[in-house]
Amino acid sequence: QIQLVQSGAEVKKPGASVKVSCKASGYTFINYGIAWVRQAPGQGLEWMGWISSYNHYAHYARKFQGRVTLTTDTSTSTAYMEVESLRSDDTALYYCARNYTNYIDFWGQGTLVTVSS
Amino acid sequence: QSALTQPASVSGSPGQSITISCTGTSNDLGSYNLVSWYQQHPGKAPKVLIYEVSERPSGISNRFSGSKSGNTASLTISGLQAEDEADYYCCSYAGRSNWMFGGGTKLTVL
Repeated sequence: QIQLVQSGAEVKKPGASVKVSCKASGYTFINYGIAWVRQAPGQGLEWMGWISSYNHYAHYARKFQGRVTLTTDTSTSTAYMEVESLRSDDTALYYCARNYTNYIDFWGQGTLVTVSS
Repeated sequence: QSALTQPASVSGSPGQSITISCTGTSNDLGSYNLVSWYQQHPGKAPKVLIYEVSERPSGISNRFSGSKSGNTASLTISGLQAEDEADYYCCSYAGRSNWMFGGGTKLTVL
């Protein structure tokens, strides 16, 4: 069955960086892109960006350009999201999700990133 | 880019129908038939209900239906059931490889 398994919760200080992993299984990794979506506590979903697992092309929401980096490792079917210069308002549950043509069909379990001094 | 606009909350009684709206602009939702809807129960990851405005993935009940007119998309849930109580999010392609979510709507089944 298709699964996206994310790395565990992280606690970071303001200004630090965090890298979240998302290991895919149950499908041919390079055939689908991976989107990243975050959800602050009690808030809605926010689209952060997308990466092609085939050619590594990444596109970022304007808000995250320059501070977020998406990568993939096709040898391990794993996607990564790194956020730099963390601020308290980056505290959120970060989801990776499989892009099936024009929508998301499978989601990871989410990784809670807490930014606190 | 601002989020798509959804009502903060809607409610209905079991068996009734409700509709959740999702409003964008002519630059995003109005320009593309690429609207999807997601259901999220507390503590769970979202689940797709509708894609490409009105298409249902396999396994999704036909009680869920979607439509679009101009800059507004709608999700209708008919025959409301207790398990439909959840948060609902619309999502639309916004051009130039960008996607955007709505602010979310909390559905309460009375």
